[in-house]
Amino acid sequence: EVQLVQSGGGLVQPGGSLRLSCAASGFIFSNYEMNWVRQAPGKGLEWVSHISSSGNTLYYADSVKGRFTISRDNAKNSLYLQMNSLRAEDTAVYYCARYFDRWGQGTLVTVSS
Amino acid sequence: EIVLTQSPGTLSLSPGERATLSCRASQSVSSSYLAWYQQKPGQPPRLLIYATSSRATGIPDRFSGSGSGTDFTLTISRLEPEDFAVYYCQQYGGSVRTFGQGTKVEIK
Repeated sequence: EVQLVQSGGGLVQPGGSLRLSCAASGFIFSNYEMNWVRQAPGKGLEWVSHISSSGNTLYYADSVKGRFTISRDNAKNSLYLQMNSLRAEDTAVYYCARYFDRWGQGTLVTVSS
Repeated sequence: EIVLTQSPGTLSLSPGERATLSCRASQSVSSSYLAWYQQKPGQPPRLLIYATSSRATGIPDRFSGSGSGTDFTLTISRLEPEDFAVYYCQQYGGSVRTFGQGTKVEIK
């Protein structure tokens, strides 16, 4: 069974940092591109970042470019999102997604003082 | 960046009725990279349709997708009680992947 289990969310002050993790199982992780998508409270979906299966190609939404870094460890079947210089508008539930056909359960990131 | 505009914002229908949801792109989208998702409160999105008209695994055939260029449509032929939810279109063909703002299908 395909599973994406997320961890690492929480409350952080503006300007702070947080690292999200997504542990994959039930499929050959190194064969798939992965994405992060977020959803602010009561709002729609916003694509955040993409990483290719090898990790060589990275894409970011303009809203996070220069502040967020996506990475993966294929040996550990894990995906990461390092979030720096966090702002109030980054408050959202963050989802990891295998391509876009399987999604994690989501983790809430709250940026507030 | 391709902007996707969904209409209507809210669709009020009864079970058994047909639902037609629209997604219009600000520039041409490759048919290979247009998807539709369903999302219910407190749950992650669920992929319904990919490549404009291909149903994802386990998706009932009452869901169908069509379109090309800048105009795409998701049709639910006969609404079941579990179909009342928010639906999003998405394009994923370039380096920036974008979602529409969503259409809520609610019980009339």
